[in-house]
Amino acid sequence: NAGVTQTPKFRILKIGQSMTLQCTQDMNHNYMYWYRQDPGMGLKLIYYSVGAGITDKGEVPNGYNVSRSTTEDFPLRLELAAPSQTSVYFCASSPLAGGSNTGELFFGEGSRLTVL
Amino acid sequence: GNSVTQMEGPVTLSEEAFLTINCTYTATGYPSLFWYVQYPGEGLQLLLKATKADDKGSNKGFEATYRKETTSFHLEKGSVQVSDSAVYFCALSDSNYQLIWGAGTKLIIKP
Repeated sequence: NAGVTQTPKFRILKIGQSMTLQCTQDMNHNYMYWYRQDPGMGLKLIYYSVGAGITDKGEVPNGYNVSRSTTEDFPLRLELAAPSQTSVYFCASSPLAGGSNTGELFFGEGSRLTVL
Repeated sequence: GNSVTQMEGPVTLSEEAFLTINCTYTATGYPSLFWYVQYPGEGLQLLLKATKADDKGSNKGFEATYRKETTSFHLEKGSVQVSDSAVYFCALSDSNYQLIWGAGTKLIIKP
């Protein structure tokens, strides 16, 4: 009963390094999302995908890239890490019902990233 | 544009107290409304939802009613427990099925 799995849970990067946050879901959901959550703040959408091969920018896409080659996987790539990218990152997925997005998101446990 | 406003926290209550966390929204059309809860160290999980005006969502003793006339979706619970301590997020889904999030309200319940 895995749901949405994110790796790694914690990571420290130096300025300018790159890394990929992995996200996998086993619920066959069409929609997938990447959010960041800064301390004491709500969620900001980075990128989302409505299905394999389709991705779109959210509210704060700069400095990130995504791909969606399969229904299950939605990795988030950070290029040239900056201190402003220090945050907790959440991956989420959402099913369709009756052909429409239900709005019910299933979240992973989060990945805490620190850029020094 | 669409937005969600929640009461600022933290909200601190004693066990068995009555809880209200206010949430108001601005939206065009008829969005669905949600409450999500985030327990310490975990991801968010759906607590309850309402899809049309006057609907009442309920789960685990929590309730919220979709009030179109006041554009509100306040979260209530009659008797809180220490285990309810968490951050609560109000959200709405827009026409593109994206969720618009409130800033979250931290709830602290003291024994």
